Amino acid sequence: GAVVSQHPSWVICKSGTSVKIECRSLDFQATTMFWYRQFPKQSLMLMATSNEGSKATYEQGVEKDKFLINHASLTLSTLTVTSAHPEDSSFYICSARREGSTEAFFGQGTRLTVV
Amino acid sequence: GEDVEQSLFLSVREGDSSVINCTYTDSSSTYLYWYKQEPGAGLQLLTYIFSNMDMKQDQRLTVLLNKKDKHLSLRIADTQTGDSAIYFCAAYGGATNKLIFGTGTLLAVQP
Repeated sequence: GAVVSQHPSWVICKSGTSVKIECRSLDFQATTMFWYRQFPKQSLMLMATSNEGSKATYEQGVEKDKFLINHASLTLSTLTVTSAHPEDSSFYICSARREGSTEAFFGQGTRLTVV
Repeated sequence: GEDVEQSLFLSVREGDSSVINCTYTDSSSTYLYWYKQEPGAGLQLLTYIFSNMDMKQDQRLTVLLNKKDKHLSLRIADTQTGDSAIYFCAAYGGATNKLIFGTGTLLAVQP
């Protein structure tokens, strides 16, 4: 199957700083990438959908100025958590889908801890 | 929008069969997926079924789909301790063109 690599796997940052998470499709071109957030013992909540070369579509209740998503190429999408606060601590997972396919492949996730 | 529900917990003995159930609300969902998540890890796609099928078998895994009732199940035959994980069902397509996840079922396999 296709491989999606997410980096970093975990990060600890101070309140008020920004953190960037990368999501790369290693062996296919991902026209669409999804970003999810998962709270402990809960399901995945879709945050936003990004299509290569266009602005991301955010789900209701997700602040687009706080969670900046860039999908500048067919193999890379980034999520930047700006001015992070402890309540932003969570597990963030990306998934990537190639054009014409409904199968989504997931990265291994990034555990963000804001102290 | 789409709502996907699962039972939260299932406990079975090693060697028994496990059946994890899922219901969804959007009848126009085109694909239904099962993912496995181990602690602290991302999601691993186990199998999926297209909405015009009612059954799919893949080694120890059997997926049953009742489209009329919008009910999906995953059966794991000869469950092993390595199968202990959280299992998510997800529905794709319909009006939203998004992949929406269920609440997840924690499967605990007792030796």
